[in-house]
Amino acid sequence: SQKIEQNSEALNIQEGKTATLTCNYTNYSPAYLQWYRQDPGRGPVFLLLIRENEKEKRKERLKVTFDTTLKQSLFHITASQPADSATYLCALDMEAGTYKYIFGTGTRLKVLA
Amino acid sequence: EAQVTQNPRYLITVTGKKLTVTCSQNMNHEYMSWYRQDPGLGLRQIYYSMNVEVTDKGDVPEGYKVSRKEKRNFPLILESPSPNQTSLYFCASSSVGRVTDTQYFGPGTRLTVL
Repeated sequence: SQKIEQNSEALNIQEGKTATLTCNYTNYSPAYLQWYRQDPGRGPVFLLLIRENEKEKRKERLKVTFDTTLKQSLFHITASQPADSATYLCALDMEAGTYKYIFGTGTRLKVLA
Repeated sequence: EAQVTQNPRYLITVTGKKLTVTCSQNMNHEYMSWYRQDPGLGLRQIYYSMNVEVTDKGDVPEGYKVSRKEKRNFPLILESPSPNQTSLYFCASSSVGRVTDTQYFGPGTRLTVL
């Protein structure tokens, strides 16, 4: 079955820099991949969805890429701000043709002022 | 306001005492799901429901039951809780549950089983 790996548990960057988070999956290529933000003690909040036939998606300072050859998605936050500090999760369908979801363990981003 | 609500938000109980965590959504979503979140393991899906009276197992269904008698409600039942079910639980809903729609999560229920 599908597995997800997110690049690191924690990532510290300076304010104004671009943060890049990685999500790798192991088996079949999903029809789509989602990115969520989670603040401590709160439920995840949806940020972006990218479909298998899309190479890149943007929303304000956020950009997501999807490379089905590498089985990887990259999540970028440009001009990062301390308010962007949170845990970021990627998610996709666990098995083709099902409605089961699998989430990565997340990357905790801290933007330093 | 569109939202997913869960009750209770915090619960401490003892092994073997049946409990129910309620979940309700006001967005007329067909799809609802339960997750548990544990340190180092991330969010894991317990059960999901595509519509009323339609439920299916997620990745970690053992020790849990669900029911979907109404579209807006999706309660999670622990018939005989055990300490390994101590976790942070999230309910989520979605209008379709697949490609074009995303999940809206509730605020979470922190459960401790002694």
